[in-house]
Amino acid sequence: LAKTTQPISMDSYEGQEVNITCSHNNIATNDYITWYQQFPSQGPRFIIQGYKTKVTNEVASLFIPADRKSSTLSLPRVSLSDTAVYYCLVGGSQGNLIFGKGTKLSVKP
Amino acid sequence: DADVTQTPRNRITKTGKRIMLECSQTKGHDRMYWYRQDPGLGLRLIYYSFDVKDINKGEISDGYSVSRQAQAKFSLSLESAIPNQTALYFCATSDTITGSSYNEQFFGPGTRLTVL
Repeated sequence: LAKTTQPISMDSYEGQEVNITCSHNNIATNDYITWYQQFPSQGPRFIIQGYKTKVTNEVASLFIPADRKSSTLSLPRVSLSDTAVYYCLVGGSQGNLIFGKGTKLSVKP
Repeated sequence: DADVTQTPRNRITKTGKRIMLECSQTKGHDRMYWYRQDPGLGLRLIYYSFDVKDINKGEISDGYSVSRQAQAKFSLSLESAIPNQTALYFCATSDTITGSSYNEQFFGPGTRLTVL
């Protein structure tokens, strides 16, 4: 399973756009890129998944360059309730996910 | 996710005791997983099961065992609990994966286990 690297923490203010970049140099051809969100004392929650180019849903956008060695999760106009840990995962085609330490996003008023 | 339930939600036990954590799901998913989370370390996979007859070790299976009693039930046991097994434990489920795509996992509310 490909290893991912993402920042340990990020700070932002309400109303700003937040971009969290994840590197995954060893991504395999069949691997998808998936992001989860976790609030304290809760289980992670699926946010978005993509294979290449751009994916957008009601919560976030995911940008994946052509070489797929990195990806960027974009959260538009964050609010205080977006304060959470965000995990970037690669692979999981067999269902066994590897979660790293994630990025702790703190949104301030 | 209310479709994935874990019992107990909190448990305090002593070193050497046998502990069972239970997970039930009403999502009809074939695949179930057990993770543990330690502060600042993210989640680590303990065991996973792709169907009732299939059990696989994850990243940190030593000291743990599992039982898949039915499609909807997946239990995690600590045969002889030790303090460094104090952690937050999550159960998760996912649907059967087709081709090379990946299906999202749905997590339970977690069980906070303390081993004294």
